[in-house]
Amino acid sequence: KNQVEQSPQSLIILEGKNCTLQCNYTVSPFSNLRWYKQDTGRGPVSLTIMTFSENTKSNGRYTATLDADTKQSSLHITASQLSDSASYICVVKGGAGSYQLTFGKGTKLSVIP
Amino acid sequence: EAQVTQNPRYLITVTGKKLTVTCSQNMNHEYMSWYRQDPGLGLRQIYYSMNVEVTDKGDVPEGYKVSRKEKRNFPLILESPSPNQTSLYFCASSFGGGQSPNEQFFGPGTRLTVL
Repeated sequence: KNQVEQSPQSLIILEGKNCTLQCNYTVSPFSNLRWYKQDTGRGPVSLTIMTFSENTKSNGRYTATLDADTKQSSLHITASQLSDSASYICVVKGGAGSYQLTFGKGTKLSVIP
Repeated sequence: EAQVTQNPRYLITVTGKKLTVTCSQNMNHEYMSWYRQDPGLGLRQIYYSMNVEVTDKGDVPEGYKVSRKEKRNFPLILESPSPNQTSLYFCASSFGGGQSPNEQFFGPGTRLTVL
């Protein structure tokens, strides 16, 4: 069964600090992996999308990495801001013509002053 | 402004009373999808549509219907809502499908309560 596991479930960090969120998946065959940011009560917003051949992708202070061999991804947030407080969701799209997306349950990040 | 809109944003109803949640996108996207989000369970896909008149079940389709008669609209229909369908619902759209990595845009969400 295709699964996406995220860790930690929740995280509290001080403003200005860095943090790394983890995503492990079992989806096969693999097409691409997406990271979304979701503010409470709002729709998710895409941060990055990485295909099989991409190892690293940045979007401002957000940097995602992908190791397709070990089926792991991480999202690194640099110099955190209060506005980074949100849930971060890892989503994996399978290949072979399917448009099924497998969602992780998310990591809830709280940035405190 | 490119966007996905959902209506209503909030809805309280009673068991068995049919309801429709509308979803519309103005980006000419082929792919549209409905999700529900529940505490501790994350986002789960209900139905998706690859294009007009092409729909397929997601992970949790029971109790829901959809239709795709026009490219821009993808309504979610609950013929006989039950309390276990109380949830936060999101519609999303993107270009392409299959192997495409195109970004998926989400609507603002509809919070549904079934009493």
